Amino acid sequence: RKEVEQDPGPFNVPEGATVAFNCTYSNSASQSFFWYRQDCRKEPKLLMSVYSSGNEDGRFTAQLNRASQYISLLIRDSKLSDSATYLCVVKDPGRRALTFGSGTRLQVQP
Amino acid sequence: SQTIHQWPATLVQPVGSPLSLECTVEGTSNPNLYWYRQAAGRGLQLLFYSVGIGQISSEVPQNLSASRPQDRQFILSSKKLLLSDSGFYLCAWSVQGGAEAFFGQGTRLTVV
Repeated sequence: RKEVEQDPGPFNVPEGATVAFNCTYSNSASQSFFWYRQDCRKEPKLLMSVYSSGNEDGRFTAQLNRASQYISLLIRDSKLSDSATYLCVVKDPGRRALTFGSGTRLQVQP
Repeated sequence: SQTIHQWPATLVQPVGSPLSLECTVEGTSNPNLYWYRQAAGRGLQLLFYSVGIGQISSEVPQNLSASRPQDRQFILSSKKLLLSDSGFYLCAWSVQGGAEAFFGQGTRLTVV
């Protein structure tokens, strides 16, 4: 089983739509959680951290369910510029580096 | 503010040739440094990380090596490239004890 699993997509949605991505992680002791965004042929960039209580940043909402080992990202009012691959990322205790999912590709269409 | 520089952006190398990719970080001291590789359509695979000068940990056995000759410099090398070394190489840094990592622009390596 992969340490971090994501649906690869692609998710094709019209502008203005609400879209949600899910991610599961295998290590119940994982400590920190993030969503990164990666544009085509570019480096990943931190989108937002994910807190136990859930957190929101503008049109983006991230949620964590520790009991189910599940992370989600909700994007409201999708823009064309939201088209990218969204990477679910986990930090495990005792590991220096982050563990990345393979990403979910989003294509927002006019 | 902190910045990370990685070069070159693209590289085409013949099989059997050597490789040297360099990464430097500015605006911070004693960072954790990482080399990742991303194969086409795949996730990021951690290759090496370093918590200090001369301290390198390897995550996977491979044809590559890493060195950290200075606090904010991280180098990825190979003596002889293989076709399977092709990919998108990303350098990243994080603060000691921190979780988030910040990436350089990446080097797209094609071995021919």
